[in-house]
Amino acid sequence: QSVLTQPPSASGTPGQRVTISCSGDSSNIGRNTVNWYQQLPGTAPKLLIYSNDQRPSGVPDRFSGSKSGTSASLAISGLQSEDEADYYCAAWDDRLNGPVFGGGTKLTVL
Amino acid sequence: EVQLVESGGGLVQPGRSLRLSCAASGFTFDDYAMHWVRQAPGKGLEWVSGISWNSGSTGYADSVKGRFTISRDNAKNSQYLQMKSLRAEDTALYYCAKATSVSVWEPFDYWGQGTLVTVSS
Repeated sequence: QSVLTQPPSASGTPGQRVTISCSGDSSNIGRNTVNWYQQLPGTAPKLLIYSNDQRPSGVPDRFSGSKSGTSASLAISGLQSEDEADYYCAAWDDRLNGPVFGGGTKLTVL
Repeated sequence: EVQLVESGGGLVQPGRSLRLSCAASGFTFDDYAMHWVRQAPGKGLEWVSGISWNSGSTGYADSVKGRFTISRDNAKNSQYLQMKSLRAEDTALYYCAKATSVSVWEPFDYWGQGTLVTVSS
């Protein structure tokens, strides 16, 4: 059971906009910023979004993040086949004194 | 180019010990906190442990507290994870991850390819 809650799966067709939610509580998302990681099949995770809505250099602006209260969302617009991957949210947890991850969302591009 | 190369994984019997290493290059190692994150086969990501730039602050997941010890040697641009009293549920791919600053609470911007630890009799 992960501390942060994500839907196990999401899907969309090429060109569509897809959102992935991440729910936490006052000890993690409610107090700290949210980061998102993308894990392509068979590869190591990659930082996709940090500090709720910031993109590292090289990440396309099709990817965006937002946070409100104890929840966060990752949006992917103009969906492409290469976006098919697992996506994880993460945030520091003040009660556990460490970062916590969501269970991951498997995105399928139909 | 930032590179993180893990080593030390393998097959180990329950109750035994194993030491993982992570060799870093391409950045000033002692300017950044470092972490270990694991992923059990077919499962999600789980943070294991983190260490600040000067080893002054360390943290552990409850699942490994008292059994695992994180350390780093800035002179060797390396970090380590000493794992004792290993259990079947410790079986996972262990990733070395670099934080974006000296602080352990910052996100991970680079990851290694992982080293597989299998705990089985």
